[in-house]
Amino acid sequence: DIQMTQSPSSLSASVGDRVTITCRASQRVNNFLNWYQQKPGKAPRLLIYAAFSLQGGVPSRFSGSGSGTDFTLTISSLQPEDFATYYCQQTYSMPITFGGGTEVEIK
Amino acid sequence: EVQLVDSGGGLVKPGGSLRLSCAASGFTFSSYSMNWVRQAPGKGLEWVSSITSSSTYIYYADSVKGRFTVSRDNAKNSLFLQMNGLRGEDTAVYYCARGGAYSPDDFWGQGTLVTVSS
Repeated sequence: DIQMTQSPSSLSASVGDRVTITCRASQRVNNFLNWYQQKPGKAPRLLIYAAFSLQGGVPSRFSGSGSGTDFTLTISSLQPEDFATYYCQQTYSMPITFGGGTEVEIK
Repeated sequence: EVQLVDSGGGLVKPGGSLRLSCAASGFTFSSYSMNWVRQAPGKGLEWVSSITSSSTYIYYADSVKGRFTVSRDNAKNSLFLQMNGLRGEDTAVYYCARGGAYSPDDFWGQGTLVTVSS
């Protein structure tokens, strides 16, 4: 199984900050790497697919980068509605696996 | 508008069974693989099962293999998860999602809560 390791597990940031979350896969995932945002009591929302493609309707302050085993989600200027938990996911190999999540909190 | 509506959750005793359903609308259901993903209280996301568009390929997480069965009815635009031999650790919100191997989960149901407790 491919293990997905996210860091940090939580962070505190202020509105307007640039935020970076990393995700490392235990094996290459050939860019089949997705990022989700989840708010309490809600279903996850797809933000980024195939490592760097922005899902329709997602603000352009979200971006994804990386390749091979190391990937990054960046929020260029954190907005109040961005405080949530973020997950990476690989769909390259079964079983599909998620990272443990990164909780972004208000500083 | 794509819509996925999860249902069938509830309280069940250990060892019991439950069948979850996911009603799909707004897209050609028969053309897409589908997933079940769960989230235990206060925990992260865990993939449970995938089924391809024509049910040709089916996959399960090791944690549910042999106890859960995924199926679909393309004529009725519906996805199912039959859960037998339920355990306390199966307590979670279960989501259906449109996605599968090599694909992101681009649409999700609202989730249905399964609680396994005596």
